[in-house]
Amino acid sequence: EVQLLESGGGLVQPGGSLRLSCAASGFTFSNYAMNWVRQAPGKGLEWVSVISRTGGTTSYADSVKGRFTVSRDNSKNTLYLQMSSLRAEDTALYYCAKDRLGGSYGVDAFDIWGQGTMVTVSS
Amino acid sequence: DIQMTQSPSSLSASVGDRVTITCRASQTISYNLNWYQQKPGKAPKLLIYVASSLQSGVPSRFSGSGSGTDFTLTISSLQPEDFATYYCQQSHSTPGTFGQGTKLEIK
Repeated sequence: EVQLLESGGGLVQPGGSLRLSCAASGFTFSNYAMNWVRQAPGKGLEWVSVISRTGGTTSYADSVKGRFTVSRDNSKNTLYLQMSSLRAEDTALYYCAKDRLGGSYGVDAFDIWGQGTMVTVSS
Repeated sequence: DIQMTQSPSSLSASVGDRVTITCRASQTISYNLNWYQQKPGKAPKLLIYVASSLQSGVPSRFSGSGSGTDFTLTISSLQPEDFATYYCQQSHSTPGTFGQGTKLEIK
């Protein structure tokens, strides 16, 4: 079964750091670009970041640029999001999502989503 | 960044109704438009990609159309399980911006 499973969320103080993980199974992870998408409580979806198949190319939303870093370990079938200098407005459910097509990068639909991991930034 | 605007923001309809949701891009995006369905407490689910292609396993009552800047999602005959929030997303260029969502409620 194709599956994505996020972990690492929690409560963190403003200015703090957190690392999210997304474990992939059921497909050849290294063939697909991967994304992070977040959803603040009661709000819509916001794309956060994308990383290419090899990890050599990344892109970020302006709202997180310079504070978040996306990476992947294809040997472990795992995607990461390192978040630092966290703000209250970063409070959200963070989803990882797979590009539909192998070989695409940042210009594709997302066909598989994880269940999300909640990040709460509060003192 | 490309801005995506959905209308309406909310919609009340009855089982069996035909429903149309509209999405407009702030600049042309060719056919690079996707539709997702999200139910409370669940992750989004891909329904339609590249404007009109039905994702595997999605019922045929869902259809998409449009190109350029204007797109529509149509549900031909609403079923009880279709009451959810729907999002469009452009995949023409990074960042892959989403519309603000359309909440479809039972009348």
